[in-house]
Amino acid sequence: ELKVEQNPLFLSMQEGKNYTIYCNYSTTSDRLYWYRQDPGKSLESLFVLLSNGAVKQEGRLMASLDTKARLSTLHITAAVHDLSATYFCAVGIGGSQGNLIFGKGTKLSVKP
Amino acid sequence: SAVISQKPSRDICQRGTSLTIQCQVDSQVTMMFWYRQQPGQSLTLIATANQGSEATYESGFVIDKFPISRPNLTFSTLTVSNMSPEDSSIYLCSVVPTSGGNIQYFGAGTRLSVL
Repeated sequence: ELKVEQNPLFLSMQEGKNYTIYCNYSTTSDRLYWYRQDPGKSLESLFVLLSNGAVKQEGRLMASLDTKARLSTLHITAAVHDLSATYFCAVGIGGSQGNLIFGKGTKLSVKP
Repeated sequence: SAVISQKPSRDICQRGTSLTIQCQVDSQVTMMFWYRQQPGQSLTLIATANQGSEATYESGFVIDKFPISRPNLTFSTLTVSNMSPEDSSIYLCSVVPTSGGNIQYFGAGTRLSVL
């Protein structure tokens, strides 16, 4: 059974600081997703990582994928309050797109 | 991209009743999916809604409890049948656009409370 583990589950940061969220998964996969969810809202796609060594950046967020280590990271640079949300990683399984196994999510709170 | 509309956005239902959730997409998609997000939890795939054939259910979910329809390439419904308080969750529709790319889009969700 595929397991996707995120850590930390809760993260309280000060504005301007850097931090990394980790996503480990237990079996091979060809696609790794990062989503953001604001309270009471649906999921917003942040990144899709499809190959070993893939790195993608958008603003203060950068995601990377190491398929050999079965590890993805989401790095936050110089955090701002607007980044406060819950971040999920999800791993695609099987040959069918859409079958995603989600981590438990990391609830990020950025304080002034 | 894909724009997904879900109805209703929220509902409060009595135990033993059923609720049908609708998902409408602004473009034709091959694959539509239904997920559940229990309070404070992550998302779990319920089933894949196939156009022209029966839905494919994940372990722990059955058709009698969660019947799904997929009459065309832009629409699907999920029914939560004979509800109990344990069914209180957010139910989300998700699609992968046929046009390509690997992004999977999610609807805003239906917040269901069962009393």
